[in-house]
Amino acid sequence: GAVVSQHPSWVICKSGTSVKIECRSLDFQATTMFWYRQFPKQSLMLMATSNEGSKATYEQGVEKDKFLINHASLTLSTLTVTSAHPEDSSFYICSAREPGTSYEQYFGPGTRLTVT
Amino acid sequence: EDQVTQSPEALRLQEGESSSLNCSYTVSGLRGLFWYRQDPGKGPEFLFTLYSAGEEKEKERLKATLTKKESFLHITAPKPEDSATYLCAVQARGGNKLTFGGGTRVLVKP
Repeated sequence: GAVVSQHPSWVICKSGTSVKIECRSLDFQATTMFWYRQFPKQSLMLMATSNEGSKATYEQGVEKDKFLINHASLTLSTLTVTSAHPEDSSFYICSAREPGTSYEQYFGPGTRLTVT
Repeated sequence: EDQVTQSPEALRLQEGESSSLNCSYTVSGLRGLFWYRQDPGKGPEFLFTLYSAGEEKEKERLKATLTKKESFLHITAPKPEDSATYLCAVQARGGNKLTFGGGTRVLVKP
C-alpha cells in the first residue's frame, strides 16, 4: 500500500504560538490530501480537504484562519495551527488517496500536539 | 447526511474466541465502505474496501462482508496481536470525504 509520513510525530508549544505539521506521500503523487483531528477515545473528524495548487476545502465549524492548509506540491501538504490554545491540543492525522481507480485513503502516523 | 454507527463500542475476547463487529451505515449512494485498524497513538491502517452488497474480502483472521445497510468484520480465532480499534468508514459517490464510525475497541486476552 501507499506510504504517508508526518512530521513531527509530537510537538509541544506554548499558547499563542504557531506550529506547522507536514504530511508527505512517499511513494506516490497525491493531488488530494485530507486532514483529520482525533480526540482521546473518539473517532476521526475530517477538518479539511487539501487540493494541490488550490485552496483547501474546510468542513463546517473548522476555522480556516486558525488551521492554515497549504498543498504546494504533489507530495506535500502542511497544516499550520496558528495562535494555538490548549483546546487545540489533539492528535492530528493526514491521509492521501493514491490516484487510480481505488478510493481508499492511506493515513500518516499522526502528530500529537500539546499546547501549554 | 451520511452516518456510520459501529457496535459494540468495546469487545473483550479470549484468544481463539471468534466474534463479529457491526457497522451500520446510511449514505446517499455508496461508493465504498472501508475498514481500518488503529493502534493506540498511531494512524489508521487500511484493511479492506467493499464496493457492493454481497462482496466479501479476507485477510488472515479477518473477513469483511457488506449488505445494503451494514457491514460485518468477522475475527476468526483472534490472537492478542489483533487487539486494536477497528474503524469503519463510508464514502458517498461524487465525493472524496470519508465518514467514520465511532470504532470498536477490541481486546484479545491470551
